[in-house]
Amino acid sequence: GAGVSQSPSNKVTEKGKDVELRCDPISGHTALYWYRQSLGQGLEFLIYFQGNSAPDKSGLPSDRFSAERTGGSVSTLTIQRTQQEDSAVYLCASSPGGASYGYTFGSGTRLTVV
Amino acid sequence: AQSVTQLGSHVSVSEGALVLLRCNYSSSVPPYLFWYVQYPNQGLQLLLKYTTGATLVKGINGFEAEFKKSETSFHLTKPSAHMSDAAEYFCAVSHGFSGGYNKLIFGAGTRLAVHP
Repeated sequence: GAGVSQSPSNKVTEKGKDVELRCDPISGHTALYWYRQSLGQGLEFLIYFQGNSAPDKSGLPSDRFSAERTGGSVSTLTIQRTQQEDSAVYLCASSPGGASYGYTFGSGTRLTVV
Repeated sequence: AQSVTQLGSHVSVSEGALVLLRCNYSSSVPPYLFWYVQYPNQGLQLLLKYTTGATLVKGINGFEAEFKKSETSFHLTKPSAHMSDAAEYFCAVSHGFSGGYNKLIFGAGTRLAVHP
């Protein structure tokens, strides 16, 4: 597609429920990244994909968080047993790869855990 | 380890005044440097980047930034602020590994307010 698409744009869930956040990167972009932005905070790196593999998942805050990428394209970030501290905007970005390109970001999914 | 420091979490300027947003970085290797802008309820948009070559880089919306290696800085400027420039601005640094992993490290952000 023309840009990075994330869905849903907003998600309200009850504490303890599981949620899935979806990212559809720019076609042909081999690298895909997930970041978390909490209210008034900067960007927190979560995980990086190169193709379908995740060489760096060091930012995942706990084992309740997982992510996968299939077909070198769409990625899903899953949060199990959501907690109130998981409330944040989850941003996905993609890149052709290589350090000089920078990222193209999606508009994010705003997750609210009540 | 790389890091980015943005001085001033909030900056307020008058419309038509100079905008100066400060960014200092630390990196053990030559860095690639980026400025992103985030408008309310939107993702981040690339404003400009420095990779190699000319140290003064121009970006969208009249913004520019200068890479100063001796000062480890990459400050963002715009000669004349417009109301539409009100947003949050993020500075970021990455390694210059060719074909390698491009993990951007972001600063905490600076929220720019523009008042009439």
